[in-house]
Amino acid sequence: DAGITQSPRYKITETGRQVTLMCHQTWSHSYMFWYRQDLGHGLRLIYYSAAADITDKGEVPDGYVVSRSKTENFPLTLESATRSQTSVYFCASSADTQYFGPGTRLTVL
Amino acid sequence: GQQVMQIPQYQHVQEGEDFTTYCNSSTTLSNIQWYKQRPGGHPVFLIQLVKSGEVKKQKRLTFQFGEAKKNSSLHITATQTTDVGTYFCAGRHSGAGSYQLTFGKGTKLSVIP
Repeated sequence: DAGITQSPRYKITETGRQVTLMCHQTWSHSYMFWYRQDLGHGLRLIYYSAAADITDKGEVPDGYVVSRSKTENFPLTLESATRSQTSVYFCASSADTQYFGPGTRLTVL
Repeated sequence: GQQVMQIPQYQHVQEGEDFTTYCNSSTTLSNIQWYKQRPGGHPVFLIQLVKSGEVKKQKRLTFQFGEAKKNSSLHITATQTTDVGTYFCAGRHSGAGSYQLTFGKGTKLSVIP
């Protein structure tokens, strides 16, 4: 089915470990986004991508790395996870309006 | 940086009462979008407003875009328990080359049956 998926849906990891969150969309949208959602902060943009091999920082990029070798995939990597990165992460793709994935709930112990 | 302020942060209403959430930007927006996030869910697009002074309705929901294209509101008439969730506005700032949106922090609506 067409849509946007994220994996894993839930992840528990330890401080210092590397974690990669996956995002896949089937619409061939050029734009993709990563947000984190924390209580009291709403949705904050981490990184976005305008096309394959084109990425740019958002509001809170520190501690995160992205890549986009294919239009349909936009993985987000936490190189060395910290407790402050415990959050719900949403991926979105856009053709003007944004379509959000179901989210990944990440806990860093 | 560009910000979109949204108030109130929380709103508790009795079922049947009306509800309004407001968004304000310090700079002119090219358009504003509204999203709803149900508890435990992900944001879902509701509507987009583009024109100055635009008003759009979806059943009991009325969306307005200010004349100066800096503010917007969402009004729900006679709330129902199905309206529970967090409502976000998201503005695209004039001149922005990308599809990047700046989200307000959202208004969490609780409806008491």
